[in-house]
Amino acid sequence: NAGVTQTPKFQVLKTGQSMTLQCAQDMNHNSMYWYRQDPGMGLRLIYYSASEGTTDKGEVPNGYNVSRLNKREFSLRLESAAPSQTSVYFCASSEFASGSLTQYFGPGTRLTVL
Amino acid sequence: TQLLEQSPQFLSIQEGENLTVYCNSSSVFSSLQWYRQEPGEGPVLLVTVVTGGEVKKLKRLTFQFGDARKDSSLHITAAQPGDTGLYLCAAGDTNAGKSTFGDGTTLTVKP
Repeated sequence: NAGVTQTPKFQVLKTGQSMTLQCAQDMNHNSMYWYRQDPGMGLRLIYYSASEGTTDKGEVPNGYNVSRLNKREFSLRLESAAPSQTSVYFCASSEFASGSLTQYFGPGTRLTVL
Repeated sequence: TQLLEQSPQFLSIQEGENLTVYCNSSSVFSSLQWYRQEPGEGPVLLVTVVTGGEVKKLKRLTFQFGDARKDSSLHITAAQPGDTGLYLCAAGDTNAGKSTFGDGTTLTVKP
């Protein structure tokens, strides 16, 4: 099993350009998430999808859109990139077991907006 | 939203030393998790604690959940350079289907 995969691994954009970050999981999890991580900080939730066909805003949704394409895939789109969106983006999926949510993370996409 | 405060933010120690990092909140958790993130990678789950007062051991790592389920600690004995990384605590909101993460403790263990 590959777990959670993300593409691309690195990306450089100019201000105003758009792009889509792709994420897929092969663990048959219902829930998927997009986080951003800035230097020296933890993870901030951008959007999440509790199940196929649903999406909800997290802490920092402004400037982003998401699509839950099917159970496996959850994409994050930046319509008009800004330097403040320079960050490392992590996708995750989760399972609910023994009363807790366990999250499995992808390797991240390192995005620089010039 | 449950706010998780981790301390210290940064910790730099010599190989062989012991250390403890903390995760605190004013809220009661149903469960709490510790993740470790190595440079250039995504976080990986270390442990989940669910019962107040619970202690779990993972080799040289000891995790404790407070009796009131509002705080947790991670103790590392005889730290090694391979322990270097960012340690994150997380509390899950199972009703909402999402987790809140602390800002993490960045640990550097020097040889």
